[in-house]
Amino acid sequence: DTAVSQTPKYLVTQMGNDKSIKCEQNLGHDTMYWYKQDSKKFLKIMFSYNNKELIINETVPNRFSPKSPDKAHLNLHINSLELGDSAVYFCASSPDLPGNQPQHFGDGTRLSIL
Amino acid sequence: GEDVEQSLFLSVREGDSSVINCTYTDSSSTYLYWYKQEPGAGLQLLTYIFSNMDMKQDQRLTVLLNKKDKHLSLRIADTQTGDSAIYFCAERRNAGNMLTFGGGTRLMVKP
Repeated sequence: DTAVSQTPKYLVTQMGNDKSIKCEQNLGHDTMYWYKQDSKKFLKIMFSYNNKELIINETVPNRFSPKSPDKAHLNLHINSLELGDSAVYFCASSPDLPGNQPQHFGDGTRLSIL
Repeated sequence: GEDVEQSLFLSVREGDSSVINCTYTDSSSTYLYWYKQEPGAGLQLLTYIFSNMDMKQDQRLTVLLNKKDKHLSLRIADTQTGDSAIYFCAERRNAGNMLTFGGGTRLMVKP
């Protein structure tokens, strides 16, 4: 039983297109996240979202937008894709309490822009 | 990550101990984590330590925290070839649940 699942696993598309990556968690967690891992393996937080607030990393272009249809899902929409968007995108989730609960990660979506 | 730093690479022989180091800058960090990433896979939580602890041991893993120097280390005893992966340290700050990751240390275990 996959705890945090992302689809698709691989996404190859052309520059300028709009695409979405889906994320679902079956852990009953309150908060979900999106991270970007570049070719050098650096991991950067993009968004943190729960039913109270959306926290956006100020470095994320507004072409990226998270959409949460319900507590178990946080999808990532990307408009006008650029070459620099090529990366692996990870979804994660965690409960809000207690404070020591770690984040659980999905297996990642490898996005390649042609 | 510019606020959390790790050395890029570590090579050890099978059966030796591995020590992966991490330094961070934010004194408000509450929890510090170690994650493992195998090729093509997501991040797997290995262990974590609360900022008021000095040490935590879990089977072959020992985490040491020097809060004064803002230094975290992960020791893997009796390193096996299956331990070859990238290891990320991450800090969770007092405000919010978001994690700041180090750049990852690639551990290579030679037979």
